[in-house]
Amino acid sequence: QVQLQESGPGLVKPSQTLSLTCTVSGGSISSGSYYWSWIRQPAGKGLEWIGRIYTSGSTNYNPSLKSRVTISVDTSKNQFSLKLSSVTAADTAVYYCAREHRAAAGTLYYYYYMDVWGKGTTVTVSS
Amino acid sequence: DIQMTQSPSSLSASVGDRVTITCQASQDISNYLNWYQQKPGKAPKLLIYDASNLETGVPSRFSGSGSGTDFTFTISSLQPEDIATYYCQQYDNLPYSFGQGTKLEIK
Repeated sequence: QVQLQESGPGLVKPSQTLSLTCTVSGGSISSGSYYWSWIRQPAGKGLEWIGRIYTSGSTNYNPSLKSRVTISVDTSKNQFSLKLSSVTAADTAVYYCAREHRAAAGTLYYYYYMDVWGKGTTVTVSS
Repeated sequence: DIQMTQSPSSLSASVGDRVTITCQASQDISNYLNWYQQKPGKAPKLLIYDASNLETGVPSRFSGSGSGTDFTFTISSLQPEDIATYYCQQYDNLPYSFGQGTKLEIK
């Protein structure tokens, strides 16, 4: 079955760019009706959706982060990536990558749900 | 953005109890709601999609209902392994948004 694994630096300095990669195994990132998403969770807090990318390269971002976020995909490596620029302590969180399934449920009706998640990686922003 | 409000924020119940969590959306989201379970130190796990559809492999004691702005998540008979935080998530509009979570503990 498909598995996701996040990787990247665990410590980033303020004002620098956070860069994470999610490697997809057990299936092709290009197959099926899937979006590839990033979600984060500050310690002891709830979940925040960051954004997603379709294998066509089409992206959607949370407006609260849009000016600082870039999500890209590398189909040759079966990976997708997150870049978050100008980070501050408020960006300290566990970052998850996830597969979002777009499932047809009838004519013009689709389900969207995140059915496969990575284990998460902790990123701390500190000098 | 659509705001999702869960209640209660925390809940203590006994093994075998019926447990209910509610989720309210700030506007009509039809059935476009998912429920996730997150155990400490783990990633969220999908339990229910489209308000009431049970994800494959999820025990039948979990169920969901509702539409529009008001939704309910139920565990029919609480088991020790159900200790977790539960989140609702809307997918009617981008950006997706989650409820603040309901932390479930065993009494």
